[in-house]
Amino acid sequence: EAGVVQSPRYKIIEKKQPVAFWCNPISGHNTLYWYRQNLGQGPELLIRYENEEAVDDSQLPKDRFSAERLKGVDSTLKIQPAELGDSAVYLCASSSAAGGPRETQYFGPGTRLLVL
Amino acid sequence: AQSVSQHNHHVILSEAASLELGCNYSYGGTVNLFWYVQYPGQHLQLLLKYFSGDPLVKGIKGFEAEFIKSKFSFNLRKPSVQWSDTAEYFCAVIPNAGKSTFGDGTTLTVKP
Repeated sequence: EAGVVQSPRYKIIEKKQPVAFWCNPISGHNTLYWYRQNLGQGPELLIRYENEEAVDDSQLPKDRFSAERLKGVDSTLKIQPAELGDSAVYLCASSSAAGGPRETQYFGPGTRLLVL
Repeated sequence: AQSVSQHNHHVILSEAASLELGCNYSYGGTVNLFWYVQYPGQHLQLLLKYFSGDPLVKGIKGFEAEFIKSKFSFNLRKPSVQWSDTAEYFCAVIPNAGKSTFGDGTTLTVKP
């Protein structure tokens, strides 16, 4: 079974440019998470989807970040415009909705973003 | 606000030494507790988890963790580490009615 797929794996952009990350979760997983991981820190939740619905986006900086999960499968996270402080690894994870918060999250390889 | 604290940022051990990594959290309600591991060049993956029952849980590769409710702790242990255990370890707390919170991780280096 394929794991969580993310692309691109690496991205280098100049500040003020837009950037988008794509995630395809494990087949059948209704819950999808986007995390940001800064160097030397743990993953920080940005947004959680249950199917198409964003059920927790309190940590998403909505002035520049946006996310969507059309059709409840793959998802896109966008930053516009990017700032130097956005340099980080952006992780996508998915889980089955059956057990709710008890479910194991399966992580993708992440997208490493560098903003110059 | 809920938080997770991993006190050891970097631990260096020799093979066969015993391991204990600390994890403390702050949250007043019911929580689900996880340890994830990231081996060099690999994705984050689950080591073990606890949500109810026996507070001593066993995971993969000989790891175990003990939930002590009175101390808000969920420490990870392994009696004898191997070189292949070199990795970064993250504790995570997910309340029944709240968001996922991860600690900042502990880097374990095992010397052969």
